[in-house]
Amino acid sequence: AQSVSQHNHHVILSEAASLELGCNYSYGGTVNLFWYVQYPGQHLQLLLKYFSGDPLVKGIKGFEAEFIKSKFSFNLRKPSVQWSDTAEYFCAVNGDSSASKIIFGSGTRLSIRP
Amino acid sequence: EAQVTQNPRYLITVTGKKLTVTCSQNMNHEYMSWYRQDPGLGLRQIYYSMNVEVTDKGDVPEGYKVSRKEKRNFPLILESPSPNQTSLYFCASSRRAASSYEQYFGPGTRLTVT
Repeated sequence: AQSVSQHNHHVILSEAASLELGCNYSYGGTVNLFWYVQYPGQHLQLLLKYFSGDPLVKGIKGFEAEFIKSKFSFNLRKPSVQWSDTAEYFCAVNGDSSASKIIFGSGTRLSIRP
Repeated sequence: EAQVTQNPRYLITVTGKKLTVTCSQNMNHEYMSWYRQDPGLGLRQIYYSMNVEVTDKGDVPEGYKVSRKEKRNFPLILESPSPNQTSLYFCASSRRAASSYEQYFGPGTRLTVT
């Protein structure tokens, strides 16, 4: 069965620090990968997605993620965080053998100190 | 404005009293889905629908029912709510099945069952 692991439950950073949030998945076939963000009191919205092609994907608000197939990873990065990046971040995976189901990780809460 | 709406946004009820949470989208999306979000568990899929009159179970369907009589609406029904169904619920839709398209999420419904 597919699964998604986000090992960092809560990350606290100062403004301008660099960010990397881990995401590992278990699925042997072709996968589609997503990062969603949930700002306080708001609904989830898509940050970026990977389907195929260049494994380095750029998303909104300066975020990027790198798909490393050999490591089953899709880590989210941002070179310099801002206070407004305070949110919860969810990695999600969908395998093409189960096109209608998407599995979410447990989320990483990011707190940015101003 | 393209959006997914849910009602009510907040609901406090008692064990065993049937309730319905409505979900509606105005984007003519084929795919709709319900999730529940619990601390430390991320989002877990309850039910999804590939199109009108086509629904299927997600990972945690017990205690829930859905229907998809019209393309735009996908209500979630709790026939006999129990305290373990206290959670934050999100409805989502996408143009096609989740493998290829971004999901758009509603604002969430916070349900408390006493």
